Amino acid sequence: DTAVSQTPKYLVTQMGNDKSIKCEQNLGHDTMYWYKQDSKKFLKIMFSYNNKELIINETVPNRFSPKSPDKAHLNLHINSLELGDSAVYFCASSQPRFETQYFGPGTRLLVL
Amino acid sequence: AQKITQTQPGMFVQEKEAVTLDCTYDTSDPSYGLFWYKQPSSGEMIFLIYQGSYDQQNATEGRYSLNFQKARKSANLVISASQLGDSAMYFCAMREGLGSARQLTFGSGTQLTVLP
Repeated sequence: DTAVSQTPKYLVTQMGNDKSIKCEQNLGHDTMYWYKQDSKKFLKIMFSYNNKELIINETVPNRFSPKSPDKAHLNLHINSLELGDSAVYFCASSQPRFETQYFGPGTRLLVL
Repeated sequence: AQKITQTQPGMFVQEKEAVTLDCTYDTSDPSYGLFWYKQPSSGEMIFLIYQGSYDQQNATEGRYSLNFQKARKSANLVISASQLGDSAMYFCAMREGLGSARQLTFGSGTQLTVLP
């Protein structure tokens, strides 16, 4: 049983398009995150949601908009994709009293 | 200043030997957590081990142990009896403070290669 799942696993698209990445966790966690891993493998937080409320919003272009329909889902919508958005996007989840964040398999986004 | 520093971009180790991956951190918060994750070539992020700032003993999980030296602000990962499957990128990460939705800050990673 997959704990944190993401779809799609690969996403190839043209500059200027709008795309969404979906994330679901079946761990019963209250908190979900989006991280971006760039071409040099550096991982950086983008957003964090706790019980469907936005908690962390790092310096991310407003073309990126997270949406949490319920506490098991955190989707990432990206408008007007740019070449620099090419990266691997990871979703993660955690439970407040417990420290560990569990990561999804990642979505590899390539903008052409 | 870097919050998490991993000074070894690449490391090699012979199969069955032990290896230490270095990590130093920088925080003024007395409450923090330190993590190690493994990222194999397939790309997923696998949690390995956690150490809390108030934990008295070094964390251990199977072949993984965390050498926590609070005064030196270091949290090195020790892998004993290396296996070929240990070849991967290893990331050290820190969570500062308490409360929900605290993000992880990651180091730049160490690429470990286990030689047969």
